[in-house]
Amino acid sequence: GDSVTQMEGPVTLSEEAFLTINCTYTATGYPSLFWYVQYPGEGLQLLLKATKADDKGSNKGFEATYRKETTSFHLEKGSVQVSDSAVYFCALTQGNYQLIWGAGTKLIIKP
Amino acid sequence: EAGVAQSPRYKIIEKRQSVAFWCNPISGHATLYWYQQILGQGPKLLIQFQNNGVVDDSQLPKDRFSAERLKGVDSTLKIQPAKLEDSAVYLCASSRFGQGGSGELFFGEGSRLTVL
Repeated sequence: GDSVTQMEGPVTLSEEAFLTINCTYTATGYPSLFWYVQYPGEGLQLLLKATKADDKGSNKGFEATYRKETTSFHLEKGSVQVSDSAVYFCALTQGNYQLIWGAGTKLIIKP
Repeated sequence: EAGVAQSPRYKIIEKRQSVAFWCNPISGHATLYWYQQILGQGPKLLIQFQNNGVVDDSQLPKDRFSAERLKGVDSTLKIQPAKLEDSAVYLCASSRFGQGGSGELFFGEGSRLTVL
């Protein structure tokens, strides 16, 4: 079945460092891809999404490109801030009501 | 527009007691989800409704968990009797899912359950 694999955390970086969180997927069709973020003590919220190959989703300085050839949707940010500390979840859906989640990657940014 | 509303935010009970959580989705969202999130883990889907019908409840422990969505709007999730391992955050989410839907879920802030 469909699945999502994320890099294990925690990922610890210094402020202003470059961030990459890897996400790869397995899917039989043409899924839509998402990154959700969960800040400490808060609910999940959508960070960005891409619905077809080569689409780039972006929000709050974060970007991710839907790469069908490598079945990847890596999350990147050029310069992280302490406020970016959170847990990041990669997910996919085939549009059939089902959302498949990765296990989450905890990001810790040190000042 | 108003977001997904959940209550209570926090609940502490003893094992074998019962608890109920309530969720009101975003107006017009036909699909409603209940997830269980144990500390340090990703969300686990418990049940998914499309309007007032159940789409998926394969991971719902039906011997102790029940959920309903009367009239296709708000929903309640009940646990009876609670076990220690039910300590988690219960997340409600809604979406405009359907054929051609975008797949974006909108989450409430969650209800944190502690079972002692």
